[in-house]
Amino acid sequence: AQSVTQLGSHVSVSEGALVLLRCNYSSSVPPYLFWYVQYPNQGLQLLLKYTSAATLVKGINGFEAEFKKSETSFHLTKPSAHMSDAAEYFCAVGTLSGGYNKLIFGAGTRLAVHP
Amino acid sequence: DTGVSQNPRHKITKRGQNVTFRCDPISEHNRLYWYRQTLGQGPEFLTYFQNEAQLEKSRLLSDRFSAERPKGSFSTLEIQRTEQGDSAMYLCASRLGKLAGPKNIQYFGAGTRLSVL
Repeated sequence: AQSVTQLGSHVSVSEGALVLLRCNYSSSVPPYLFWYVQYPNQGLQLLLKYTSAATLVKGINGFEAEFKKSETSFHLTKPSAHMSDAAEYFCAVGTLSGGYNKLIFGAGTRLAVHP
Repeated sequence: DTGVSQNPRHKITKRGQNVTFRCDPISEHNRLYWYRQTLGQGPEFLTYFQNEAQLEKSRLLSDRFSAERPKGSFSTLEIQRTEQGDSAMYLCASRLGKLAGPKNIQYFGAGTRLSVL
């Protein structure tokens, strides 16, 4: 079975500081991995996805993530945090069932950015 | 293209009542998904449709839950005899199924927040 673990339910950074949100996955087959962001009272918006084309994936809003097979990790980073980055972030793995139809999500990490 | 639309955005009901939510996917998207998100958790898969066919249901979907997509366009999710444990955000997503795998992605609606009193 596939699963996702997000380390740290809350992360707080200063504006301008590095953002690092951790995600580890478990999968018996090559995974497809995603990071979504959720702002209050809104749905999920895709930040970036890994589909085996490149291990370093660049997404929207200056975010990027690196797939490390040896560490089974897909951590999300941004060099310089902005106040508008405050939101909840979810890592997800696409399951093999039905051709990677179903997404399995982690519990989420709430990012706070303070001045 | 206005994205995935969900109605209502909020629903408050009393325990034991029936509720129905609607999801309008992005046009041309033949695959539609329902997820449930409880407070402090990530979304959990409930069910998915390819056109009008419901192809998979999670064990989370008890017999009080039923989902339909009668014409392969919009979908409804009904909960009968609601319980306080049903309180959650119900999210709908859609994607175009013509391409294999996650080359196409799931687009999410804003969700329907259900509160059962």
